[in-house]
Amino acid sequence: DGGITQSPKYLFRKEGQNVTLSCEQNLNHDAMYWYRQDPGQGLRLIYYSQIVNDFQKGDIAEGYSVSREKKESFPLTVTSAQKNPTAFYLCASRKGNYGYTFGSGTRLTVV
Amino acid sequence: EDQVTQSPEALRLQEGESSSLNCSYTVSGLRGLFWYRQDPGKGPEFLFTLYSAGEEKEKERLKATLTKKESFLHITAPKPEDSATYLCAVQAGNYGQNFVFGPGTRLSVLP
Repeated sequence: DGGITQSPKYLFRKEGQNVTLSCEQNLNHDAMYWYRQDPGQGLRLIYYSQIVNDFQKGDIAEGYSVSREKKESFPLTVTSAQKNPTAFYLCASRKGNYGYTFGSGTRLTVV
Repeated sequence: EDQVTQSPEALRLQEGESSSLNCSYTVSGLRGLFWYRQDPGKGPEFLFTLYSAGEEKEKERLKATLTKKESFLHITAPKPEDSATYLCAVQAGNYGQNFVFGPGTRLSVLP
């Protein structure tokens, strides 16, 4: 079955540490997205990519970085510059003008 | 500024007690309004897309409607398995690839 796979499901980060969240899709979708979800707030866009080797900042890109070397993969790195990284991170993909297909999410906690 | 609000924030229903969830939006040039269902600790699952005022979509016990200012998600004779958070998102002409998400309505259906 086609879908989006996010890993790990849970991730713990120490102060000053960079961590990378994985997102892989086998839907053959061109566009991929990273969203952050906090309690009581709508999803907020971190980065998105419409084609390989190209990506754009979303509304809250500071402290995050991405790469898009393959169509299927769009990893997100949470750097030490992100001061409040504890959140639920969602990866999504999209084809044309249809709605998003989301992964199952990664919950990141600072310890 | 484009905005999406949802009400109520939380709703508790008895099994079989029908009700409606509201999504109000102020955007420039609506391109589409999307409803998603999200279970705890999981990614959102696509339900409906509405494109123009007057449009309606149905799926099992759910019916989504759209006006120029808001959308309603009607739940008829809900069951406990309908318990989830329901998210509304709009795609506006100015955003292109981006969506604006509401904070969601947390629905609990009691047996």
